Amino acid sequence: EAGVTQSPTHLIKTRGQQATLRCSPISGHTSVYWYQQALGLGLQFLLWYDEGEERNRGNFPPRFSGRQFPNYSSELNVNALELEDSALYLCASSLSRNQPQHFGDGTRLSIL
Amino acid sequence: QKEVEQNSGPLSVPEGAIASLNCTYSDRGSQSFFWYRQYSGKSPELIMFIYSNGDKEDGRFTAQLNKASQYVSLLIRDSQPSDSATYLCAVSRNNNDMRFGAGTRLTVKP
Repeated sequence: EAGVTQSPTHLIKTRGQQATLRCSPISGHTSVYWYQQALGLGLQFLLWYDEGEERNRGNFPPRFSGRQFPNYSSELNVNALELEDSALYLCASSLSRNQPQHFGDGTRLSIL
Repeated sequence: QKEVEQNSGPLSVPEGAIASLNCTYSDRGSQSFFWYRQYSGKSPELIMFIYSNGDKEDGRFTAQLNKASQYVSLLIRDSQPSDSATYLCAVSRNNNDMRFGAGTRLTVKP
């Protein structure tokens, strides 16, 4: 069974640009979660999508947004990139809203 | 007060010993508790989850939960060098708003 897949693996942007990160959940999983892990820091919850709807978001500004498609894959968009947005962005999926989450390998976003 | 607290370590144990990792949480409404292992440069990997007070065993791993004390732990028996990683404790009310601790770095010395 294929795991959670994320693309791209690495992404380099400059301040003020926009970034789009993509995630495909494990087959059959309907919930997708996004986390930010800055260097040396813990995972910070960003967004949760379930059945195409945003169900919850963490304490991040509105320039962090995303969506979930009918096939349950998801995009995370970050607008007006700032230097402090440099981090590993992890996507996780779960079978349903009450099941454990499984992580992808992440997208490392670097802001120059 | 952080929502989920872990000792950052590093915790060093000899090969074959028992490694004990601890986690406390502040939200008394928390119902689901998870342990993830994260190797350097890799993504977190789910090891154990526990929902009820008491112990839950899976191979060399045992998760222990005490909701009254707001405490959850992970025991690793017969520790191996391959167990060397950062262990993340995660807590949620309903699996959909997980809050992670900063992680404990474990080193198992041959």
